[in-house]
Order: sequence, then C-alpha cells, then structure tokens
Amino acid sequence: DVKVTQSSRYLVKRTGEKVFLECVQDMDHENMFWYRQDPGLGLRLIYFSYDVKMKEKGDIPEGYSVSREKKERFSLILESASTNQTSMYLCASSLSGLATYEQYFGPGTRLTVT
Amino acid sequence: GENVEQHPSTLSVQEGDSAVIKCTYSDSASNYFPWYKQELGKRPQLIIDIRSNVGEKKDQRIAVTLNKTAKHFSLHITETQPEDSAVYFCAASIPMVFGAGTILRVKS
Repeated sequence: DVKVTQSSRYLVKRTGEKVFLECVQDMDHENMFWYRQDPGLGLRLIYFSYDVKMKEKGDIPEGYSVSREKKERFSLILESASTNQTSMYLCASSLSGLATYEQYFGPGTRLTVT
Repeated sequence: GENVEQHPSTLSVQEGDSAVIKCTYSDSASNYFPWYKQELGKRPQLIIDIRSNVGEKKDQRIAVTLNKTAKHFSLHITETQPEDSAVYFCAASIPMVFGAGTILRVKS
C-alpha cells in the first residue's frame, strides 16, 4: 500500500516567514509533485521532480522553491510567506515510465498565512 | 500549455440516477486522461483513467469516454449511490493539468 505523508495537517504562519512543507513517500517512486488546491481552481501544479536533485517548474512556481535531496523526500519552501499563499497544499508521487501514471496523494497541509 | 475545462461545477442527482461530468482539453498531444475522486476531508484518489488509443473504458458503475477529434472526455456514473458524493477532478497531459472540479451530490 502506497504511503505518502506530509509533515503537518495544519500550519499557521506569519507574513514574511520562511515555511517548509515536507513530503515523504515509501514506495520508491521516481516522480514527486507539489500542488495547491483552492476552491473553484482545482489542483494547480507548483513544482515537480523526476529524480533526486532534479526539479521542474509547474504552472504556478512564483514564490515557491523545492528541494529533493533524497528519492523519498520532496520539500516545498515558501521563501517569504504571503497571505495569498494561504491554501491547501497536496504532495503526490508516481512511478516513472509508461506503465502507469497514477499519482498517489498525501493527506494535505492546510496553510494559513496571517 | 495544456488547458482543461470541466463542467458542471456542481451536480445534484437523485440516488439511482446517472451522472455525467464533461471535460475539454486544448493540447492535441495529450494522451492520458485520469479521473480523481476526493471525498470530504480526504486525499484525491484515482478512480479510472483512459489513454488516447482507447475510446471507452468501464469499471463497474463508472465509465469514461474519449473523443480525440473534439478533444473532450466524460465521466459517467450509473446507479448513483450516496457514497458517490464527492468532488471529481478530470486531468490531461503529463505532467497532469487538472480541471477545476465538480461537486457531485447524490440525494437519497
């Protein structure tokens, strides 16, 4: 059974703080993703990674950075949190290759920036 | 890049009726189209997917159809049950671009 975990379910930060969201998967998946989920906007891709130390920008990378030092761990960093980054953040992982593209999601982190 | 539009945004049906959710995409190179279900307070989970070399796929009460020429695909749920109530997301392309979601309510 695939397990994707996120470091926090709820987080409250102040404007200007540096925020770290961590995601860990235990299925040796090559691909990892960070999304934010907002009502009426669906899931929007922030960054993704196809391998250790590799990263690619998604649709909304501004204000975010990522780090993937180990295969199982993918971190999302808000360099200077702003109120418009208040959202639900979802991490996901998947195998690489053509066999399957199914993404397995973590439980999400609801971040509030005040 | 890819753009995915999903309709309707909300859908209410009576238990036992069918539900249809439609999505259109813009990039003709997209070849993978999954549907995810997200129950309240839970993570999204894949319920069915289709690749561009297939026109229709069924799994018990759910089915997905794909029209590559028109660039649209649909989710069909038959004999709806209260546990089908959730938010449904379509997606296209790799990496995936998601639609805005459809809130499905099944009234008993």
